[in-house]
This record gives sequence, structure tokens and C-alpha cells, in this order.
Amino acid sequence: QTVVTQEPSLSVSPGGTVTFTCGLSSDSVSTRHYPSWYQQTPGQAPRTLVYSTNTRSSGVPDRFSGSIFGNKAALTIRGAQADDESVYYCVLYMGSGIRVFGGGTRLTVL
Amino acid sequence: EVQLVESGGALVQPGGSLRLSCAASGFTFSTYGLNWVRQAPGKGLEWLTYISGGSSTIFYADSVKGRFTISRNNADKSLSLQMNSLRDEDTAVYYCASEYNYGSGFNYWGQGTQVTVSS
Repeated sequence: QTVVTQEPSLSVSPGGTVTFTCGLSSDSVSTRHYPSWYQQTPGQAPRTLVYSTNTRSSGVPDRFSGSIFGNKAALTIRGAQADDESVYYCVLYMGSGIRVFGGGTRLTVL
Repeated sequence: EVQLVESGGALVQPGGSLRLSCAASGFTFSTYGLNWVRQAPGKGLEWLTYISGGSSTIFYADSVKGRFTISRNNADKSLSLQMNSLRDEDTAVYYCASEYNYGSGFNYWGQGTQVTVSS
């Protein structure tokens, strides 16, 4: 069974930089997994931030960026703001056609 | 304006069936793949199933394979999810989400519909 791993929680100071990672339990993440990233606040539908590793969705500010970092996908927020406090999810496309979400990372801005 | 509006959520007994719908507007429906994603109370997001624009390609997560069936009607711009043999663990908010190309991620999301499986 495919397991996509994310940090359970991260914290960042206002104005600071934070990086989330998205890994696979039994493989390296690469661009062939087309990693994408989503932000969700309580009671709301997810919002798409980045897809295909590093393409920002329409309207997403450039302080959000995606990349491959080592053997994982990464989402970096620069200049963190209070309203960035959310849960962040990654999704990986597996060769079999299934999509798999990571468990999500709760970001605290303090 | 792009809109995806889910409906059909309800309280249903274990072993029962339910059909969810998702009505789309504001984009060229037939050129987009569509997905169902759910979120159990207090839990993370779980991808369930995908259908291509022409319905020729369909994928399911193991957790729902054989119980759930995805379908779409391009003339009506609607997506459906037929859910059979429902279990307590199927209790969740169910979202539909569009996908322009393979690898393009879920670009548009609905607001979700609540399904509760309980006796």
C-alpha cells in the first residue's frame, strides 16, 4: 500500500520561511509523480496552490513555491503571514493512475 | 465563474446506498477529468475515484473499489457517485474536484456534501 508522508505539524514566525515535504514510504518522489499542494482551513474546501511540482495555481502569490528537494516534493512559503495558518496537503500521482494524498501538515504561525 | 456544486448527501444506515451528484458550470466540462475526494471528521483528505472527460478511463482507490461507481453525463454537465454497501467509515464530507490534464492536480473544488452512515 502506497503511503505518502508529510510532517504532522510545522511552525513559522510571521515573515519567516517554512518548507513542507512530501515523501513516499518506499520510493523517491520525482516529477513523474506530478506533486501538487493544497491549503485547507477549517470548514472550507481545499484550495489548490501548486501542481505539476512547481506550477502555481491562478491567483496564488509567488511566495508559495514548489520543488523537488532530495527524494521528496517540497512546498516553501516565504514571508509567512497569519492567514497562512492552515493544513497543507500534498497529492502524488502513482503509475497505476491512482492519486494519493499525504496525511497533511498543520501550520502554525506564531 | 467556475462552480462545482455537490448534492445528495444524507444520513444512511450501514449497508445502505446513496447517490451523490456534482453539477458543474463555468468551464468546458467535457474536456476535464473529474474526481471524488472525501474527508472524514477530523481526518485528512482521501482521494476516491477519477473519471476522464470521455468516461473511457476510470480509477478507484482500494477503499471503495467494488462498492462505489463514478459516472458522468457531459450533456448535463454532471458527475455522479453511486455508493453501495456503505460502512460507518464512509462517513465524511464528499468533494468533487476537476482535473484539466493528467498531473495538473485538482484545479476546481466544490464545497462538499455530508454523508453520514449510522444506525
